[in-house]
Amino acid sequence: EPEVTQTPSHQVTQMGQEVILRCVPISNHLYFYWYRQILGQKVEFLVSFYNNEISEKSEIFDDQFSVERPDGSNFTLKIRSTKLEDSAMYFCATRRTVLNYGYTFGSGTRLTVV
Amino acid sequence: AQKVTQAQTEISVVEKEDVTLDCVYETRDTTYYLFWYKQPPSGELVFLIRRNSFDEQNEISGRYSWNFQKSTSSFNFTITASQVVDSAVYFCALTYGGATNKLIFGTGTLLAVQP
Repeated sequence: EPEVTQTPSHQVTQMGQEVILRCVPISNHLYFYWYRQILGQKVEFLVSFYNNEISEKSEIFDDQFSVERPDGSNFTLKIRSTKLEDSAMYFCATRRTVLNYGYTFGSGTRLTVV
Repeated sequence: AQKVTQAQTEISVVEKEDVTLDCVYETRDTTYYLFWYKQPPSGELVFLIRRNSFDEQNEISGRYSWNFQKSTSSFNFTITASQVVDSAVYFCALTYGGATNKLIFGTGTLLAVQP
């Protein structure tokens, strides 16, 4: 079964550093999402991406965050200057079409900011 | 407002007991989808079921069953004869019409199955 691949699985970074989280979507999927889960809390929507642009973003997704799909395959989430409160599990999810409401989640990247 | 409520924060049962996890949702849309995901201690999100708003048939898959009732805006999940491997956090989620169809998650229910 096709998978969404996220790398790295775990990243530790110093406060103030930039991090890039990577996701390889399923090849025929058109809609891409990032979600965040702070330890012990619910999964929260960050941003959706379609046709090479952001289609919706949450209040969490401020100017510190950006997404892109630079080479047509990897879908990346960049956090410019990490804060302690950015420590969380970040999930990438992809979906094929508007009419297909099935989402495929990656296994997540655990980001620890120290 | 679109919202998913999982009022049960933690449930503890003994193996072989049946357990029901509650999910109540709010949406103004007439077309929507409901989901259940399992998150084991390893952290990944495991898809369990998707149900659309026009299909109120209950579903059974092995020891798992789901009861969808539009009249009470509920989509409850029952595990029959629970096992230790069922121990996990279970999330109910909703998506509705709109270009992005983002998923809105409930706060999750931690299920602990004791041997």
